This record gives sequence, C-alpha cells and structure tokens, in this order.
Amino acid sequence: KQEVTQIPAALSVPEGENLVLNCSFTDSAIYNLQWFRQDPGKGLTSLLLIQSSQREQTSGRLNASLDKSSGRSTLYIAASQPGDSATYLCAVRPGGGADGLTFGKGTHLIIQP
Amino acid sequence: GAGVSQSPRYKVAKRGQDVALRCDPISGHVSLFWYQQALGQGPEFLTYFQNEAQLDKSGLPSDRFFAERPEGSVSTLKIQRTQQEDSAVYLCASSLAPDRVVGYTFGSGTRLTVV
Repeated sequence: KQEVTQIPAALSVPEGENLVLNCSFTDSAIYNLQWFRQDPGKGLTSLLLIQSSQREQTSGRLNASLDKSSGRSTLYIAASQPGDSATYLCAVRPGGGADGLTFGKGTHLIIQP
Repeated sequence: GAGVSQSPRYKVAKRGQDVALRCDPISGHVSLFWYQQALGQGPEFLTYFQNEAQLDKSGLPSDRFFAERPEGSVSTLKIQRTQQEDSAVYLCASSLAPDRVVGYTFGSGTRLTVV
C-alpha cells in the first residue's frame, strides 16, 4: 500500500527566507505527483503537477522536483511571504489501475511578517 | 460553473441520522472524486466516477457509505446511520479528462460533525 510522508509537519520562518518542504513515497510506481495548498476552511488549490517522466516543474516562486526512483519530491519556495502561510499537501497518483490520489498529512507553514 | 461547488458547507448530524452531501463539478468534467479528510490528516480517497459510472469505490469505509452520479454531472455522497468517527471534511474534486495527465480541481468541502 502506498504511503506518503511529509517532513516537517510544521514550519515557522521569518518572511523572506527560502524554504524546502519534503515529501517521500514508498511505491515508486506512480503516474504523477501533485503539490496542493490548503487554507483553513478551504478546499485544495493545485500548485504544481509533475508527471512521472519529468524531473521538475516551476511556477513563479515555487519549484517542485521529483526523484521517482528514490521516492522523493521537494517543494522549494523562494522569498517567502506571509501570504504563503497555509498547509502544503503532497499527493501521488498510482501508476496501476487505481485512480485515487494518496496524500501525505501535510506541512503546516507559517511565515512570520 | 466556475469551480466545484459543494453543499452544505457545514452539517451537524445526530448519531444514527442519515446525511446527503452534494457536489456540483465543473461543467463538462468527466471525472469526479470524493475524499474524506479527518482533522489534522491528509485527504483519503473514497470513490471515483467517470461520467455516471462508479469505477472505483475501494475507499468507502463501510456499507453505510454510498455515492451516486446518475446523470454524469452532480454527485451525492450519502452516509447512513452516521457515527462519530464519520466526523470529517468531505471533499469533492473533478477533472476534465479521464486520463491522468491533468490535475484535479477541488471544492471547499462539507464539514460533517456527528454529535
């Protein structure tokens, strides 16, 4: 059974710092990996989607990498801002017949002004 | 619509009561998913529809949970004889294509509290 682990569970840093969120998964047979952001009381907003054949994706200040063989992904946030405060979730989509995403528990990020 | 709409936003049910949660996906989206998110946890997959066909219901925790999408658009997740462990946020997501290249759009969820 696929398991997704996110480290750290929580992180608080001053505004302006660059930071890295980590995601690992136990079964490397994935179709893609997606990073989401979740604000309190809200649904999930997709940030970046990396196909299994890709190594990284970039959107603005966000960069996500994927090392499928080692079962790891990182989300890099440059020049953090208070508006980046949220919970960040990593999810993998299986490569077999199943269609549901498997999520990690998330990293709760606080950017101090 | 512009996004995935879920109703109600909040639902308080007495233990043993039946509830129905509604999801309106983005118009034209073929794939629809339901997830359950307990407090402090990541979402967990419940079930998946492609149009009106329920292709995967392996995540439904018990036979008290039932989902339908009779016309391939709106979906309803029904929970019978609710129990306290059913308290969670129920998220709906839709996707334009049944293939796996594109990502999901999630709704804001329904927060169910069973008392």
